[in-house]
Amino acid sequence: GNSVTQMEGPVTLSEEAFLTINCTYTATGYPSLFWYVQYPGEGLQLLLKATKADDKGSNKGFEATYRKETTSFHLEKGSVQVSDSAVYFCALTTNSGNTPLVFGKGTRLSVIA
Amino acid sequence: NAGVTQTPKFQVLKTGQSMTLQCAQDMNHEYMSWYRQDPGMGLRLIHYSVGAGITDQGEVPNGYNVSRSTTEDFPLRLLSAAPSQTSVYFCASSPGQPNSGANVLTFGAGSRLTVL
Repeated sequence: GNSVTQMEGPVTLSEEAFLTINCTYTATGYPSLFWYVQYPGEGLQLLLKATKADDKGSNKGFEATYRKETTSFHLEKGSVQVSDSAVYFCALTTNSGNTPLVFGKGTRLSVIA
Repeated sequence: NAGVTQTPKFQVLKTGQSMTLQCAQDMNHEYMSWYRQDPGMGLRLIHYSVGAGITDQGEVPNGYNVSRSTTEDFPLRLLSAAPSQTSVYFCASSPGQPNSGANVLTFGAGSRLTVL
């Protein structure tokens, strides 16, 4: 089946630090990969996505590259801000039939000034 | 655009009571779904619908019912609430099945349910 494993949190960083949140996956079929972000008190919203191997998704200074050889989709940002404090979810789906979106357990990021 | 609207935002129930969480979207999305979010568990799919009149079970369907009589609405019913159903519930929709990067889920703001 399909599954996503992401690093446990919480992660606490100082402002302007470099961020990496690891995400690896297993999938039957060819997956599309996503990062969603949940700000405090809100629903999830799409941060970025990649639909084929070696694609790089990017948004708001965040990047993630779809690595088929390592089955990974790690999220990175070069310089985090306090406003980036949120919970980040890695997710995947595959193009085989009624395949729902499968989420990782989420990683809570706290950025301190 | 309202997007995906969930009501109520907060609800407290006693064990055995019933209630319905409402979800409405104004984007003419065919696909709608319900997730629950629990600490350390991430999001788990409860039920989903690929169009009006069609529903199917997700990963954790027990204790919940759904129906899809219109494209816009997808209510989630708890027939006899249990403390294990204390959670935050999210409704999400997309133009078609989210089985590719082309159909991205839009989430509601969530409904926090406590069962005593």
